Parts: sequence; structure tokens; C-alpha cells
Amino acid sequence: DAGITQSPRYKITETGRQVTLMCHQTWSHSYMFWYRQDLGHGLRLIYYSAAADITDKGEVPDGYVVSRSKTENFPLTLESATRSQTSVYFCASTRGRGSYEQYFGPGTRLTVT
Amino acid sequence: GDSVTQMEGPVTLSEEAFLTINCTYTATGYPSLFWYVQYPGEGLQLLLKATKADDKGSNKGFEATYRKETTSFHLEKGSVQVSDSAVYFCALTRDDKIIFGKGTRLHILP
Repeated sequence: DAGITQSPRYKITETGRQVTLMCHQTWSHSYMFWYRQDLGHGLRLIYYSAAADITDKGEVPDGYVVSRSKTENFPLTLESATRSQTSVYFCASTRGRGSYEQYFGPGTRLTVT
Repeated sequence: GDSVTQMEGPVTLSEEAFLTINCTYTATGYPSLFWYVQYPGEGLQLLLKATKADDKGSNKGFEATYRKETTSFHLEKGSVQVSDSAVYFCALTRDDKIIFGKGTRLHILP
């Protein structure tokens, strides 16, 4: 199906484990983003990518790693999960800079115990 | 740095009431401005946008006007419905990124 998908939709993991959240888009959009959504903070940008093999830090990158070997995929890895990383994670993509709309995935709810 | 401030919620209204959600921004230059909406259990989706001063964005009965003199982009709807219950985010573009406000939760009572 066309669009932007995230997997898994729900994940429970333990402190210290490595977790990878997947994001896939079918539009060949250049830009992709990872956000976390927490009560009282709104959406905060973790990392973004302007193209394959080009990534940059956002507002809250610590504890996260990203890669983008293919245009359509943008996985987010928590190298050693902490309870403070319990959150809802959204992936988004857009065609380009400026006034282009960002399209969001359905989100992954991650709980770190 | 650039930022977006929007009224804190939750906002609770009766069906058919008039809605205003305030949004002001701080930015250098001329950013594009957006309103996104998030329905329960879903990701955000674009509601409307305006790309330059005095532009009015509109969609699904919602409107917002880009006011550079007051650095505002207030969201309005003349008659809300229960189905409008959601979280609304004001946002602006800065270079490669979008900066979001913290969101305003809207409850519409039947």
C-alpha cells in the first residue's frame, strides 16, 4: 500500500536493550523525520534526513541513532533504552524544504520498563 | 530561536459553537505557517497552511490568516462538530524543518 508506515505499532522493552523502530515511505520523498510526542512537550524532533546517506540531529538526539541507506527507509535505533525514552514516536516525510506538507506515519508506542 | 506558542487546552465547547485557537510565533524572515490536526490514535495530518503575509488558509470549515504585524496565525471555525474533537498543532517552517507548538486538545460536547 502507498503511504508511510511504521513498525512495530506497539513495543515493550526493558531498560538497556537495543530497539529499532522502522519507517517506510512509498513516495520517494527526499526528507524524512523522527519525532517523539510526550505530554507537555508536544512534538520534538529527534533526527532528520534530507536524502539517502544524509542525516542530521534535531532537538533531542541523545540516545538515538539513525541511518538512511535507501530513500524509502529511515530506521531509528535506541542503542540502550532508558525509561525516559518511553514515548510515542512518529515518522514523517516530505517532498522538500519550505512550505511542503509533512506526511506522518501512525506512530509507534514504546514502553521501556 | 524560532518558536510557536499556542493556547493551552483542553478547550471544551458545545456542538455548533464558534472556535478560536490562538497561535503566535517568533521567527526571523518569512516562514510558512501550518495547522496540523491529530485525531485519537493517529499521526498528524495537515489541516491548512499559509505561505506569506495576509494569506488565508482554509479547509473543512477551518480558517487561519497569516498576520505578520501581530505574528499570529489563529485557527477559527464558525460551527464545530463532535467530529472536530482532536489535538491541533500550530507550526512554522525553518530551513529543512518544521517547528511545532505543544498542541491544543479540543473536546466538542454533543
